[in-house]
Amino acid sequence: GAGVSQSPSNKVTEKGKDVELRCDPISGHTALYWYRQSLGQGLEFLIYFQGNSAPDKSGLPSDRFSAERTGGSVSTLTIQRTQQEDSAVYLCASKTTGTGPLFGPGTRLTVT
Amino acid sequence: GENVEQHPSTLSVQEGDSAVIKCTYSDSASNYFPWYKQELGKRPQLIIDIRSNVGEKKDQRIAVTLNKTAKHFSLHITETQPEDSAVYFCAASKGGSYIPTFGRGTSLIVHP
Repeated sequence: GAGVSQSPSNKVTEKGKDVELRCDPISGHTALYWYRQSLGQGLEFLIYFQGNSAPDKSGLPSDRFSAERTGGSVSTLTIQRTQQEDSAVYLCASKTTGTGPLFGPGTRLTVT
Repeated sequence: GENVEQHPSTLSVQEGDSAVIKCTYSDSASNYFPWYKQELGKRPQLIIDIRSNVGEKKDQRIAVTLNKTAKHFSLHITETQPEDSAVYFCAASKGGSYIPTFGRGTSLIVHP
């Protein structure tokens, strides 16, 4: 496909479990972002990858959150020991020179 | 870091009226200002952007203006239609570490 894709689209997990969220950016886009959007709220920055540079992790809310980007393409956001306050839509976006970030459809995470 | 304020939080207009959403930013080094439209349950979509070397940009019924001196930028929608109803987010970023900071969003309601 031509756009950013994310999987799963929905994830329900029990408190305390670990979850992995996947993002496939647009081919050739060197920049990749993760944002979090709680119900009815704005876009909270989590982490940013640019090429082979060290990621900017300044937005990660706790050490339970981590992300990787393999081969400069696919990214995985991992949340360990999930809490109810982690429930949100997790949005991935990718970008190339001359454009703003383009968002994927998001993964809706519900922690019960 | 950058701080983006967005007003109003809710805007209700009649079909055919104009709508204006305003944002201010704090970092004078910011030089790229995208706007996103997010329909209910959908991903944010980039609808228009402006760079700091221009003062205005138009695309059909949508226009953005930028006042670098005052550090504010606005989205103007003319001849509003019900399908314009959505949440609109402004953002600001600067070259180098390209991480957009988003406003809190404006819920635009266009009444038929």
